[in-house]
This record gives sequence, C-alpha cells and structure tokens, in this order.
Amino acid sequence: GEDVEQSLFLSVREGDSSVINCTYTDSSSTYLYWYKQEPGAGLQLLTYIFSNMDMKQDQRLTVLLNKKDKHLSLRIADTQTGDSAIYFCALRGDSNYQLIWGAGTKLIIKP
Amino acid sequence: GAVVSQHPSRVICKSGTSVKIECRSLDFQATTMFWYRQFPKQSLMLMATSNEGSKATYEQGVEKDKFLINHASLTLSTLTVTSAHPEDSSFYICSARDSGGNYNEQFFGPGTRLTVL
Repeated sequence: GEDVEQSLFLSVREGDSSVINCTYTDSSSTYLYWYKQEPGAGLQLLTYIFSNMDMKQDQRLTVLLNKKDKHLSLRIADTQTGDSAIYFCALRGDSNYQLIWGAGTKLIIKP
Repeated sequence: GAVVSQHPSRVICKSGTSVKIECRSLDFQATTMFWYRQFPKQSLMLMATSNEGSKATYEQGVEKDKFLINHASLTLSTLTVTSAHPEDSSFYICSARDSGGNYNEQFFGPGTRLTVL
C-alpha cells in the first residue's frame, strides 16, 4: 500500500524559513495536502496541490511537488511562534475521498 | 469555515465499559464522515468511512463489532468503543465532507482523547 514518510521534528529560528518534507510511494496520488494540527484543535487544511502542478504559493506558504522523486515540501517563510504545530502531509487518489497520512512533523520555533 | 465538533473532548473509562464519541457538522451537511485514530508519533489511521443512512465501511484490521459507527443524520456520526481495553486508549478524530461544498476538503473535529484504565 501507499507509504508516506515525514521527519518527526524540525527546529528553526524565528524569522527563518521552515521547509517540511514528505516523500511517498504511490505515483497515482492525485491530490496532495498539507494540514496543520495545533494542540487541542482540529486539523486545519493549509493548502493542497494537484498532481499536475509543480508549485503553489499562498502568502507565506509555498508547496513544491517533484513527481519524479515523489517528494512534496511545504515552505513557511518568516516562521513565527504561531506556526508551532504538527504538520501532516496527506495524499488522495482520484477515486475516493480517503486520505493516506504521513506521521506528522512537529515544528519547533527557537527564539 | 465549516466547523466540526466532537464530544467529549476527553474521556477516561474503566476497562470493559463502552464509550460513545459524537461527531457533529455544525453548519453544513455531511453525507460522508470519517473516523481516524492517531497514535503518538504515528500517522492518522483511517478506521472507517461513515455514510449517512447506510452501514459504515471499515478498513482492514478494524473490528466493526468493537467500533460501532452510526451515521443517523446528515450532521451526526457516532463512534462507540465497546468493551474498551487499555490498548484502545488513543486519540480519535473525525472528519466530515461538506455534501454541498468542495469535495477536495475534509473538515476535522478537534479529536477525543480516550484513556482506558
């Protein structure tokens, strides 16, 4: 089955850029998502990208997709303390709504 | 945006008892809701897909007699953990898809922390 891998932790200094990476095995994934989970809150959809796109930018967020290497990344520019959370990548095929999840990357912000 | 609530947010129960978790879409109708289980430092695991008015579809390895799912209305799905054991302790998250909205997006509840003593 599909395997989605993420590093468990990422530590960056406030004001720097954060790059959270995700690799996957199933090349048939059509939609690729980034979710943010803050303590006590539900998962929040940050952004998503279609498999026919290479890049998507939304304010401080930039998503890059390398289909050849099956690699997805989320870049957060000018990282703030409010960005502290766990970030999940998730993939979906075209035929159903079920998502395959990575384990999540905990973003730690250093002052 | 669309809001999904879960109740309770935290529950502690004795081994052998049953626990019901509610998932509600507050401002939209959800024909389909999903139940996930999250283990520490592990990814979300889809347990079942809940369809309004019909039986839930369970993922392989999930015991349907242990995790009872009822989706009786377009805004409510319930997950009942029957005869709970300590290994059922986990974080349970539901999500809902807006029947009249963007089918790419699932809206997630805040989760329910279940601790079985």
